[in-house]
Amino acid sequence: EIVLTQSPGTLSLSPGERATLSCRASQSVRGTYLAWYQQKPGQAPRVLIYDASNRATGTPDRFSGSGSGTDFALTINRLEPEDFAVYYCQQYGGSPWTFGQGTKVEIK
Amino acid sequence: EVQLVESGGGLVQPGGSLRLSCTASGFTFSNYAMTWVRQAPGKGLQWVSSISGGSGTTFSADPLKGRFTISRDNSKNILYLQMNNLRAEDTAIYYCAKGRGFMVLGYYMDVWGKGTTVTVS
Repeated sequence: EIVLTQSPGTLSLSPGERATLSCRASQSVRGTYLAWYQQKPGQAPRVLIYDASNRATGTPDRFSGSGSGTDFALTINRLEPEDFAVYYCQQYGGSPWTFGQGTKVEIK
Repeated sequence: EVQLVESGGGLVQPGGSLRLSCTASGFTFSNYAMTWVRQAPGKGLQWVSSISGGSGTTFSADPLKGRFTISRDNSKNILYLQMNNLRAEDTAIYYCAKGRGFMVLGYYMDVWGKGTTVTVS
């Protein structure tokens, strides 16, 4: 099983700042099959990034994903008020699919 | 519009059973893999089970095998999750999600339902 470890657990930032979230895998993720999801309180998750670096339909271009192998990152440039949420990484290259434990981006 | 609506959740006693349903619309259901993901109160996301578009391939989290079974009825556009011998730790919101492709592996989840709540107590 691939264990995904996200850091930091919580990121306290102000609107307009840049957020960098990390997702580290315990072994190489096949085919860079890694996605990032955003979840707001009381809502279902929604995909932001797939295949490590591709923006999903409707994802603003201030969101970008990078990485391969075991190290991945999600960067949010110029945080908007609606970006404060919990972010999860997930690998879908092999079974079992696994999620990271999440990073909460909160308003400082 | 692509839409997924879960149903079947509720309060059940330990040891009981529930069958969750996810009714899909707005896309050709049989062409896409489907997945169940759950989220315990205040916790993160946990993958439960996935099934390919033609039902030929299923994957389930090892700890849940033998108790949870995923299936689908492509003629009715419905995804199911049969849950047996339920335990308190199965208490969660259960989401269904559409895969981006026919197969399970290699495709992310691009559309999610709003979820249905299961409480085991």
